[in-house]
Amino acid sequence: DVKVTQSSRYLVKRTGEKVFLECVQDMDHENMFWYRQDPGLGLRLIYFSYDVKMKEKGDIPEGYSVSREKKERFSLILESASTNQTSMYLCASSFGQGRYSNQPQHFGDGTRLSIL
Amino acid sequence: QKEVEQDPGPLSVPEGAIVSLNCTYSNSAFQYFMWYRQYSRKGPELLMYTYSSGNKEDGRFTAQVDKSSKYISLFIRDSQPSDSATYLCAMSSPAGNNRKLIWGLGTSLAVNP
Repeated sequence: DVKVTQSSRYLVKRTGEKVFLECVQDMDHENMFWYRQDPGLGLRLIYFSYDVKMKEKGDIPEGYSVSREKKERFSLILESASTNQTSMYLCASSFGQGRYSNQPQHFGDGTRLSIL
Repeated sequence: QKEVEQDPGPLSVPEGAIVSLNCTYSNSAFQYFMWYRQYSRKGPELLMYTYSSGNKEDGRFTAQVDKSSKYISLFIRDSQPSDSATYLCAMSSPAGNNRKLIWGLGTSLAVNP
């Protein structure tokens, strides 16, 4: 079974803080993803990575950065947290490179982040 | 118009009913189709994964793809209260950045005992 583990289930931070969200997967997947999920807006892709040290912007990268130093770990960084970044953050991973990359994504249980 | 449309519901059915959940899409290049189930305060869990057209069955769940109509469905037979969740459809194409999934907004389902 694929296991994607997010470091915190709930997190409360203050405006202006630098926030780190961590994600680890145990299936040797090449691809890892960060989403946020908001009512009425669904899942929106922030960033993804298809290899160590490689990253690509998703649909809403502003205010976020990512780091992938090891294959199994993908970090999301909120450079200076703002109240509009209060959300549920979901990490996912998938198998495959190149034309085999249309594989389903497997998700962690999410981090509910509140910015006060 | 969104690339993927999904009725948000809520859909409420009695236990034992057959449930039909649907998504329509506009991009004819989509070839890979997925259904996820998401319980409250949990991450989405993959239920079904299909390629191109046709049906796929897994226990009480059947996924159907009609590419000519750009329409996909998930059927749940003998629905149970434990099926109460939000169901998300997702899809992608072989071309371009095929790691990215395009998501529906989800349909909320309640199965009443």
